[in-house]
Amino acid sequence: DTGVSQNPRHKITKRGQNVTFRCDPISEHNRLYWYRQTLGQGPEFLTYFQNEAQLEKSRLLSDRFSAERPKGSFSTLEIQRTEQGDSAMYLCASSYREKLFFGSGTQLSVL
Amino acid sequence: AQSVAQPEDQVNVAEGNPLTVKCTYSVSGNPYLFWYVQYPNRGLQFLLKYITGDNLVKGSYGFEAEFNKSQTSFHLKKPSALVSDSALYFCAVRDGGAQKLVFGQGTRLTINP
Repeated sequence: DTGVSQNPRHKITKRGQNVTFRCDPISEHNRLYWYRQTLGQGPEFLTYFQNEAQLEKSRLLSDRFSAERPKGSFSTLEIQRTEQGDSAMYLCASSYREKLFFGSGTQLSVL
Repeated sequence: AQSVAQPEDQVNVAEGNPLTVKCTYSVSGNPYLFWYVQYPNRGLQFLLKYITGDNLVKGSYGFEAEFNKSQTSFHLKKPSALVSDSALYFCAVRDGGAQKLVFGQGTRLTINP
């Protein structure tokens, strides 16, 4: 068990560019979640997968955000046409027996 | 829709004293309640959960939490605080029929030597 892995750890981009983050969950976990966390706030739910199916998506998630989990293993989160307000820590988690196991996150800075 | 309130942004406790971090929740169905901890430069870690059963649940590192249905609270407690308990603590809730976990804003716990 190597834990939940997220790449990259940090991403700096210019406004208007597209970015993609990757999450590798713990291998036997079939549920995967994406959260976003800004300084001084708790994690905010973005979306959830059961295997390859995206079962829930936050209404706060604009159409610039898309997530995939093509084979029910790793997942990607893409943000198109980034805005400064997208700057945050993006967290991935997988779950087992009601426990979420979080990765260390990808810190996005949009300049 | 479910929600969580952590009324204290910061809690300071002397080492060896008991500590309490407060949490109240709102959910339409049966509450699934959790506490997570975030140490500096580390990811969120699970501490404990309440799904059903005894109202007092025990978790990692000597922490426990008490589910109070009438007060819709799930306060985190520890009988004797350690300096190493200093961290950011998040309460979270989800409706039993859903997967979306909603987190509170967090409480920064500082244990003074």
